[in-house]
Amino acid sequence: GAVVSQHPSWVICKSGTSVKIECRSLDFQATTMFWYRQFPKQSLMLMATSNEGSKATYEQGVEKDKFLINHASLTLSTLTVTSAHPEDSSFYICSARDHRKGSTDTQYFGPGTRLTVL
Amino acid sequence: QKEVEQNSGPLSVPEGAIASLNCTYSDRGSQSFFWYRQYSGKSPELIMFIYSNGDKEDGRFTAQLNKASQYVSLLIRDSQPSDSATYLCAVRGGSNYKLTFGKGTLLTVNP
Repeated sequence: GAVVSQHPSWVICKSGTSVKIECRSLDFQATTMFWYRQFPKQSLMLMATSNEGSKATYEQGVEKDKFLINHASLTLSTLTVTSAHPEDSSFYICSARDHRKGSTDTQYFGPGTRLTVL
Repeated sequence: QKEVEQNSGPLSVPEGAIASLNCTYSDRGSQSFFWYRQYSGKSPELIMFIYSNGDKEDGRFTAQLNKASQYVSLLIRDSQPSDSATYLCAVRGGSNYKLTFGKGTLLTVNP
């Protein structure tokens, strides 16, 4: 159990376009999902906490109008990078909180999406 | 500000040896502690979690927690080349479910 998928696994886009990344919990319902960004040779940086049915909570310094998060169902959260620029090129990883009874109540990560903005 | 510190390494050990990875954290209110393994170009994979002081063993892995010293470690016995990866220490506070990650320790196991 506790499998999380992401789509797409990689994307290349032109500067100024918008890119949507999907995160799905496949075998459990996740009321809380998290979005991280990781630059080369750096650790994970939490961007925002996505809560099903409510607005996302963004970390300090993360532009909520640029990184749109929607968590419309218990198994799906989406991150849309709007008007992407080359500096947005990064590895975007989502995680889902598994808080089923008997679980470890921790975060399981999706495989990540590598975004390259030309 | 909550901080999690790890030695960035690289830590190099021969195959079959014990690898010892260390982590300290600043928030005394932290209650849950996790070790993730991340291969190059991949996302983190949960290895172990520990909530109580003492040792917790799972196969070749042992997590150790000392809340008084704000210290958590991961021991890998009989290290294999496939263990070569970056190991991330993560800490969770009591009031929310966010994880604070260290920068990771790069482990290389030499055949």
